[in-house]
Amino acid sequence: EVQLVQSGGGLVPPGGSLRLSCSVSGFKFSDYEMSWVRQAPGRGLEWISYISANGNSIYYTKSVKGRFTISRDSAENLLYLQMNNLRAEDTAIYYCARQDIGDFWGQGTLVTVSS
Amino acid sequence: EIVLTQSPATLSLSPGERVTLSCRASQRVDNYLAWYQQNPGQAPRLLIYDTSKRASGIPARFSGGGSGTDFTLTISTLEPEDFAVYFCQQRYDWPWTFGQGTKVEVK
Repeated sequence: EVQLVQSGGGLVPPGGSLRLSCSVSGFKFSDYEMSWVRQAPGRGLEWISYISANGNSIYYTKSVKGRFTISRDSAENLLYLQMNNLRAEDTAIYYCARQDIGDFWGQGTLVTVSS
Repeated sequence: EIVLTQSPATLSLSPGERVTLSCRASQRVDNYLAWYQQNPGQAPRLLIYDTSKRASGIPARFSGGGSGTDFTLTISTLEPEDFAVYFCQQRYDWPWTFGQGTKVEVK
């Protein structure tokens, strides 16, 4: 069974940092590209970052570029999102996802940026 | 950035009705267009990928179509579990983007 289990959310003050983790099981993680998607309260979905299977290709949406860093540890089956210089508008539920034909998502983790 | 515009924002319908949702792209996305369904408090679920291919386990009442910049998701006969929010997503160019969503609600 494919599982994506997220951890690392919480409350952080503006300007702070947080690292999200996504632990993957049930498929060969090193063969698949991965993404992070977020959803602000009561709002739509926003794709924010992508990493290729081998980690050599990385993309970000404009609003997080230079502040967020996606990475992966294929030996440990872990996907990460390092978030720095957080802003109030980054408050959202963050999902890790394998967005391909199979399409699997984590359970989501809430990040709240507030003083 | 490719902007996806979904219409309408909300549809009020009854079970058994047929519904067609629209997604228009600001530039061509070839066939790299997907549709997701999301229920409150849940992660999105993939319905359609590559414009018209049903994802695994998705009922035949869901169908996707279109080309170029104009795409549709059709539900042939609304079931009670289909009342949800639907999002389109393009995976043609970076950054990938989602439409703002269409809510299908019970009339």
